[in-house]
Amino acid sequence: EIVLTQSPGTLSLSPGNGATLSCRASQSIVRNRIAWYQQKPGQSPRLLIYGASSRATDIPDRFSGGGSGTDFTLTISRLEPEDLAVYYCHQYASSPFTFGPGTKVDIQ
Amino acid sequence: QLHLQESGPGLVQPSDTVSLTCTVSGVSISGGIYYWSWIRHRPGKGLEWIGWIYYTGNTYYNPSFKSRLVMSVDASKKQFSLRVHALTAADTAIYYCARVMPGPGYPEFVDNWGQGRLVTVSS
Repeated sequence: EIVLTQSPGTLSLSPGNGATLSCRASQSIVRNRIAWYQQKPGQSPRLLIYGASSRATDIPDRFSGGGSGTDFTLTISRLEPEDLAVYYCHQYASSPFTFGPGTKVDIQ
Repeated sequence: QLHLQESGPGLVQPSDTVSLTCTVSGVSISGGIYYWSWIRHRPGKGLEWIGWIYYTGNTYYNPSFKSRLVMSVDASKKQFSLRVHALTAADTAIYYCARVMPGPGYPEFVDNWGQGRLVTVSS
């Protein structure tokens, strides 16, 4: 089973700042099969990024994904108050599919 | 517009079986395009992939559940279901149903989630 580790655990930033969230896999992810999800308080997760760098439908271009192999990032530029959420990375390269523990983004 | 809605009991006894159903609207389950999945979120733990089912009835179950799972699909009712046997307190979680995008012959990422159903295992 591929284990995903996310860092930092919590990120506290002001609106307008940028944020870089990290996701590291215990083994190389074939064909960059990494997705990122945003889960706001009281809501279900929402797909942001798939294939490591492709934005999902209706996701603003402030969100971007990158990386390859075992190291992946989600970058949020120009943070807005509505970005307060937990962000999860997810690998679908190898069964069983797994998720990272999440990074909580607090907006100061 | 796609909508997934979980239903089922909120409180179950230890050692019992829970049955959850996901009703899908806005897309056909039998269209042969998507996979359908169950994912859970236990308190203080991360998201956990339970398994997936295809409209043909083909399934994949996470081995960590040790044969306690059964998934089924009823395309005529636009529903797919999950049964988890031999419940313990460790199975207390929010259970999500979800739609999974297809790859060439296998499932890929979840693109839509239901709102989730809290299942508490307690006597």
